[in-house]
Amino acid sequence: AQTVTQSQPEMSVQEAETVTLSCTYDTSESDYYLFWYKQPPSRQMILVIRQEAYKQQNATENRFSVNFQKAAKSFSLKISDSQLGDAAMYFCAYRTVLFGNEKLTFGTGTRLTIIP
Amino acid sequence: EAGVVQSPRYKIIEKKQPVAFWCNPISGHNTLYWYLQNLGQGPELLIRYENEEAVDDSQLPKDRFSAERLKGVDSTLKIQPAELGDSAVYLCASSGGEGGYNEQFFGPGTRLTVL
Repeated sequence: AQTVTQSQPEMSVQEAETVTLSCTYDTSESDYYLFWYKQPPSRQMILVIRQEAYKQQNATENRFSVNFQKAAKSFSLKISDSQLGDAAMYFCAYRTVLFGNEKLTFGTGTRLTIIP
Repeated sequence: EAGVVQSPRYKIIEKKQPVAFWCNPISGHNTLYWYLQNLGQGPELLIRYENEEAVDDSQLPKDRFSAERLKGVDSTLKIQPAELGDSAVYLCASSGGEGGYNEQFFGPGTRLTVL
């Protein structure tokens, strides 16, 4: 079974600075998807960024980028130029590419606080 | 385009009472998921539907939980009777399209408090 581990329960960063959230995972599969989701107090999970394991290039979405280290099974999220609206819980998640098993396996989350 | 709709947003009940949650997925999405999110944890899948068929309910506690998606559109998740440990957020998600990657879109969830 796949597992996802987020070892940082809480992180804080000054507004406009850069912060990195860590995630490690365990799987025996060679191809899969990895995600970072944001969950603000409204509770709605919002997809931040997605990485396909067969792609070596790290995914980037505006101020959000990942550092995907497949051999180390590490998938960290970097947020540049942090904004107050980035404050939320961030969840790392894993999903197999196999059709018929699309469930997401989530980590325990990291609460990100933005300091004005 | 409307997102995933869930109701109610909050529910407070006494233990041993029944409770039901409703989810309306994004139009055209054939796959519907119910996730349970305990406080301080990530969501965990309870059940997944493909149209009206429950294709993965291995994590659903069937002694007290039930779900249905009769016409392959909206879905209801029921707990009867509720226990104190059922206090959590219940999230619904949907996905659609053919082949390849299907992004899951989440609703705002229902926060259940069992007293």
